Amino acid sequence: DTAVSQTPKYLVTQMGNDKSIKCEQNLGHDTMYWYKQDSKKFLKIMFSYNNKELIINETVPNRFSPKSPDKAHLNLHINSLELGDSAVYFCASSQESIYEQYFGPGTRLTVT
Amino acid sequence: AQSVTQLGSHVSVSEGALVLLRCNYSSSVPPYLFWYVQYPNQGLQLLLKYTTGATLVKGINGFEAEFKKSETSFHLTKPSAHMSDAAEYFCAVSGPSTPLVFGKGTRLSVIA
Repeated sequence: DTAVSQTPKYLVTQMGNDKSIKCEQNLGHDTMYWYKQDSKKFLKIMFSYNNKELIINETVPNRFSPKSPDKAHLNLHINSLELGDSAVYFCASSQESIYEQYFGPGTRLTVT
Repeated sequence: AQSVTQLGSHVSVSEGALVLLRCNYSSSVPPYLFWYVQYPNQGLQLLLKYTTGATLVKGINGFEAEFKKSETSFHLTKPSAHMSDAAEYFCAVSGPSTPLVFGKGTRLSVIA
């Protein structure tokens, strides 16, 4: 059983399109996250949800909108995709925000 | 605010040699410290963590790290490198009411 899963694993799309990435965790954790990893492997937190409530919203364009339908799911919707959005996006979860996070396998987004 | 500095963006060792990856942190509260490993095209995997108690922490795959408060360090070591250890390694810190903050990562290369 995969603890944190993401779909799709690869996403290739054109500029201007809207796309979504889905994340699910079966660990019973309260907190979920979205990270962006750039080509230099730098990990930047984008959002954090605790019990379906947004608790971290870093400086991210408002084209990015997270949605948490329940504690086990945190989806990321991106509008009007730009070339600079190309990156690997990771979902993660933890029991509480101070404890270790468990990461999904990542979604490699390529915008052409 | 908490921060992490990983000294050396790239470390290269010979197979069988000692692995030493350096991490220094800054925290105004007692820190929780973590090391993660990322293999190519995969998500991050927790190697080990320090929260409280014994300052020498053993993790998976033969890695260990020592928390040294006086030096604000949490360096990662492994006595004998294996080819399969080649990966990106991330140090991270958290604390009460503070989510994980990641370092910029260190790429470990192992030479046969």
